[in-house]
Amino acid sequence: AQKVTQAQTEISVVEKEDVTLDCVYETRDTTYYLFWYKQPPSGELVFLIRRNSFDEQNEISGRYSWNFQKSTSSFNFTITASQVVDSAVYFCALGGSARQLTFGSGTQLTVLP
Amino acid sequence: EAGVAQSPRYKIIEKRQSVAFWCNPISGHATLYWYQQILGQGPKLLIQFQNNGVVDDSQLPKDRFSAERLKGVDSTLKIQPAKLEDSAVYLCASSARLAGGRDTQYFGPGTRLTVL
Repeated sequence: AQKVTQAQTEISVVEKEDVTLDCVYETRDTTYYLFWYKQPPSGELVFLIRRNSFDEQNEISGRYSWNFQKSTSSFNFTITASQVVDSAVYFCALGGSARQLTFGSGTQLTVLP
Repeated sequence: EAGVAQSPRYKIIEKRQSVAFWCNPISGHATLYWYQQILGQGPKLLIQFQNNGVVDDSQLPKDRFSAERLKGVDSTLKIQPAKLEDSAVYLCASSARLAGGRDTQYFGPGTRLTVL
């Protein structure tokens, strides 16, 4: 069975602070895929990144960076110099041999001005 | 490129009434998904289609929910009759190729359903 745990239910930071959202996953698949989605108040899930299990390179995209560590089954997401527009619910998700994407319960990020 | 379109955006109904949601996926995407997202939770898959065939509907409450994808493009999700616990956001997503969790899924804006 697949499982995704986002232990942080809510995080609140002040603008320009860095913030890391944690994601821990469980799977028996040897090949799997990890995703991060952003859900702003408008409700639409916005795709941010997809990583394959065989590619452990960390990735940076602007203010966003992702740290994938197979040894600890973690795929953490860091926002550098946070902005008010980053306020949203962030979901980590896991895909593999199962026929569906397994989502975590989400982390509500609030960036205060 | 146009994204996934859904309508209506909001719907309020009384319990035991019927409701239908519509989804138009990204052009050329073979796979279409319907999710239910209850407040405070992650999305839960209800059904997925590859072209116009059902790949997985194991979590669809078939006594009251139905879905179809005619001609392998647009899809409708229906609830009949609705219950209070059906209050949720219904999200449609599509992906280019593979059904399941391997291909990137792109989501529509969702339909927020309130059952009174």
